[in-house]
Amino acid sequence: DGGITQSPKYLFRKEGQNVTLSCEQNLNHDAMYWYRQDPGQGLRLIYYSQIVNDFQKGDIAEGYSVSREKKESFPLTVTSAQKNPTAFYLCASSIVRGGLNEQFFGPGTRLTVL
Amino acid sequence: QKEVEQDPGPLSVPEGAIVSLNCTYSNSAFQYFMWYRQYSRKGPELLMYTYSSGNKEDGRFTAQVDKSSKYISLFIRDSQPSDSATYLCAMEGAGKSTFGDGTTLTVKP
Repeated sequence: DGGITQSPKYLFRKEGQNVTLSCEQNLNHDAMYWYRQDPGQGLRLIYYSQIVNDFQKGDIAEGYSVSREKKESFPLTVTSAQKNPTAFYLCASSIVRGGLNEQFFGPGTRLTVL
Repeated sequence: QKEVEQDPGPLSVPEGAIVSLNCTYSNSAFQYFMWYRQYSRKGPELLMYTYSSGNKEDGRFTAQVDKSSKYISLFIRDSQPSDSATYLCAMEGAGKSTFGDGTTLTVKP
């Protein structure tokens, strides 16, 4: 089955610790994204990557970092500099079909800072 | 002011009701208008999309776009308990996608 996997599903972190969220896709998509979703709010873009070894900041990149060493993988690190990291994190990949940049989302990782 | 405003809800309707979900936007560069469905603790999935103005129907779902008013709607006919989810509008243009905050719908049997 083709799709996007995120791990872990739930993650707990102590304040001051960095943590890395995994995102893997086997859809052969070039573009990948990381979003943050807070209760009652839409998706806010953290980082995106259009191609391997290249990525750009989204609207809320402060306190986060990413890498894109392989086409299939786009891990997100939540650093201790992120002031309010408790949220639901969604990874996506996309392909252009009929002019639309169609995004496919993973199941998400719920991060809780204790 | 947000580029995309979505009716906040939550919305609770009896089974079989017609549901109307709505968003407004301010960016004239948006060309594609999408509706995503997100079940609890899951990632969003694309339900349907429309290019520019007009209507698009897919089974019980109809998406409507009025670019002159900068207003989009999703209608669900004969709503079912399985339609209970959060619905996110999203818009794409000028190289970016912008999402609404979502409307949570509950369809009661």
